Amino acid sequence: DIVLTQSPALAVSLGQRATISCRASESVRSSMHWYQQKSGQQPKLLIYGASNLASGVPARFSGSGSGTDFTFTIDPVEADDIATYYCQQSRNDPLTFGSGTKLEIK
Amino acid sequence: EVQLVESGGGLVQPGRSMKLSCAASGFTFNNYDMAWVCQAPKKGLEWVATISYDGSSTYYRDSVKGRFTISRDNAKSTLYLQMDSLRSEDTATYYCARGFPWFAYWGQGTLVTVSS
Repeated sequence: DIVLTQSPALAVSLGQRATISCRASESVRSSMHWYQQKSGQQPKLLIYGASNLASGVPARFSGSGSGTDFTFTIDPVEADDIATYYCQQSRNDPLTFGSGTKLEIK
Repeated sequence: EVQLVESGGGLVQPGRSMKLSCAASGFTFNNYDMAWVCQAPKKGLEWVATISYDGSSTYYRDSVKGRFTISRDNAKSTLYLQMDSLRSEDTATYYCARGFPWFAYWGQGTLVTVSS
């Protein structure tokens, strides 16, 4: 299985940039997707195909990367962005998710 | 508006069965692959199974192969997950999700607790 590694947590000040990384144990090309999950809610798709913004998602959110190293960025961070962010690969079966990065406000 | 509403969760004893349902609305159900994704308490997300738009193909993670069955009724716009021989490690919130290979829409989830 492809393992996706994320840092457990990130603290950022409001109005600043948040950068979340996801490293794959082998190349997934551009088959990386990002989700936001707020406390007690279902996940929400933000980015698909490494860099494509999902419908209705603000342009403050963006994604980049290919191969094994991927970055998800929120710029600027707003209070409503407090959540856990997950990456997910679809290059190989089984589909796998990262363990999530919890975004906290300083 | 896309809506996915799961039902059928609850408390079940180890070794027993449970069937989850997901009622879909707001889109043409038979145009989309569908999936189940689970999340153990305080844990991350784990893909469980996927079914093609017409039900002709199904895919499972290894840990549920032979125990879980994903199916759909396109006439009723409903997705199902039949879970047999349940284990304590199957305890999780189960989400119905639309799409493959990424999940564009998710239901609110239904909690399955496997315990004696």
